Amino acid sequence: KQEVTQIPAALSVPEGENLVLNCSFTDSAIYNLQWFRQDPGKGLTSLLLIQSSQREQTSGRLNASLDKSSGRSTLYIAASQPGDSATYLCAVVTGTASKLTFGTGTRLQVTL
Amino acid sequence: NAGVMQNPRHLVRRRGQEARLRCSPMKGHSHVYWYRQLPEEGLKFMVYLQKENIIDESGMPKERFSAEFPKEGPSILRIQQVVRGDSAAYFCASSRQGTNTGELFFGEGSRLTVL
Repeated sequence: KQEVTQIPAALSVPEGENLVLNCSFTDSAIYNLQWFRQDPGKGLTSLLLIQSSQREQTSGRLNASLDKSSGRSTLYIAASQPGDSATYLCAVVTGTASKLTFGTGTRLQVTL
Repeated sequence: NAGVMQNPRHLVRRRGQEARLRCSPMKGHSHVYWYRQLPEEGLKFMVYLQKENIIDESGMPKERFSAEFPKEGPSILRIQQVVRGDSAAYFCASSRQGTNTGELFFGEGSRLTVL
């Protein structure tokens, strides 16, 4: 059974700092991994999708890497801003399953 | 291009009543997924549907819950005889292809409160 863990559970950083969020999964037989952002009381916004054959994806100040063999992904946020404050979720699709398995998220606060 | 539309955004029901949650996928998307987020917990998969077919309902409780995605109209998640433990945010997502390759897009969620 796939399990997804995100560390740390919460993180507070000053504006301008670069930061890394971690995601690990127990079953490396994944099809893809997706990073989402969730604001309080809101839905999920897709940030980056990495297929199993890819090593990384970039969008603006965000860079996500994938090391499938070790069961890890990182989300790198450059030059953080207060507007980046949200909960960041990673999720994987495993084997023949048609569903995402989510981590419990990292709650990020970027302070002025 | 409108995103995934869910309604109602908030729903209050008394124990024993029925709750119906609706989801219209993004234009061009024929794959719909329902997830539930209990307070202080992560999102859990419930059901995956393609037009008129349930593909995977392994995350659905065996009783009181049902889902459909008719040929015309939105997908519906129906909860009969609601109990307090059903209080949660219910999210719908859609994709153009199945999740094995496709990116998933989520709606804003429907927040059910059972009194």
